[in-house]
Amino acid sequence: DTEVTQTPKHLVMGMTNKKSLKCEQHMGHRAMYWYKQKAKKPPELMFVYSYEKLSINESVPSRFSPECPNSSLLNLHLHALQPEDSALYLCASSQDRGQGVDSPLHFGNGTRLTVT
Amino acid sequence: EDQVTQSPEALRLQEGESSSLNCSYTVSGLRGLFWYRQDPGKGPEFLFTLYSAGEEKEKERLKATLTKKESFLHITAPKPEDSATYLCAVPPLTSGTYKYIFGTGTRLKVLA
Repeated sequence: DTEVTQTPKHLVMGMTNKKSLKCEQHMGHRAMYWYKQKAKKPPELMFVYSYEKLSINESVPSRFSPECPNSSLLNLHLHALQPEDSALYLCASSQDRGQGVDSPLHFGNGTRLTVT
Repeated sequence: EDQVTQSPEALRLQEGESSSLNCSYTVSGLRGLFWYRQDPGKGPEFLFTLYSAGEEKEKERLKATLTKKESFLHITAPKPEDSATYLCAVPPLTSGTYKYIFGTGTRLKVLA
């Protein structure tokens, strides 16, 4: 079992639907991330929240809208997606950057998204 | 340019046949190197953190080592359940906060 929980595990949506992905962690981490992963590729960074504020947006299309309601929760709102957006969406968290070293990412098991 | 390269891309081993996976990095100031295991359809599972050259970490049949240019993940007497994709990642100093760089992974298949 992972310490980062993502729901739902699977999601099928049409191109006109609105849906949300949810992520929760209780490790006290103050950085939370959304990644997108295609088959046989490494995870690709989408967004980072640090202390509940958006720190990084990797030029992600506006049809993806992140939200961080509190330090334990992270949402990704989806609207008007395209079939090419079908992928595994991963949430991760980490401790804030320390002095001279960084902490690892801890991932959830992802949401397998299919856009029809 | 900060870069992480993994080799081989894919590896097939017989059960019990030991081998090593490589993760080479060129970053402008190493702040840690992380190994992950990823099973199909699941998120990467954290395995090891290495911070300085010469450091070693072990877990069951896996041992990770670090030099100034690369890291190795040694797999001793692997079993079929070790089949997975193994990823390494580094957080580079120059790319700003929170931007971890991942290698493309090694897909390991262990045959019974």
